[in-house]
Amino acid sequence: AQKITQTQPGMFVQEKEAVTLDCTYDTSDPSYGLFWYKQPSSGEMIFLIYQGSYDQQNATEGRYSLNFQKARKSANLVISASQLGDSAMYFCAMTTGTASKLTFGTGTRLQVTL
Amino acid sequence: NAGVTQTPKFQVLKTGQSMTLQCAQDMNHEYMSWYRQDPGMGLRLIHYSVGAGITDQGEVPNGYNVSRSTTEDFPLRLLSAAPSQTSVYFCASSYIGGQPQHFGDGTRLSIL
Repeated sequence: AQKITQTQPGMFVQEKEAVTLDCTYDTSDPSYGLFWYKQPSSGEMIFLIYQGSYDQQNATEGRYSLNFQKARKSANLVISASQLGDSAMYFCAMTTGTASKLTFGTGTRLQVTL
Repeated sequence: NAGVTQTPKFQVLKTGQSMTLQCAQDMNHEYMSWYRQDPGMGLRLIHYSVGAGITDQGEVPNGYNVSRSTTEDFPLRLLSAAPSQTSVYFCASSYIGGQPQHFGDGTRLSIL
């Protein structure tokens, strides 16, 4: 069985600063995918970034990058140049093999301040 | 391009009532799933489907039924609602397994 751990219930960051949200995972399957989703206060789930277990390079999508450290089983999300609109709940999740069953962490609430 | 559409957005039920949460996607995705989100917890998988006519249980399936008669639709049925089923329910879909899932906007369900 797979498990996702997010140890930061809440984080604060100043506008225009970078922030790292931590995520560690556990699985015995060599093939897996790691995902980050954003949930604003309006409630919808927004896909941000994906990293496959066999990908050699860290994934990047605009201001989002995934710091993938396979040996440490970590998949931290880095948001550069934070904006007020980045204030939201952020979930790390994973799938294993070819399944499409997401296992989620408990989330990190990010608050961006002026 | 509607994506994943969930109805209703809000619903209040009495204990023991039954109802169906609707989910439809127009992206020709094979994979569809239902999750519930409770305070302080991440989303948990209820049921999922890898294609029309094929469904399977997730982490928390008790009290829920699903069917997948078409590629587009994946309804979730509450057989006899209980207060413990008060939650926000999300439907999601993806083209193939292991790929990013697209989520609907959620259904907020309260059971009194």
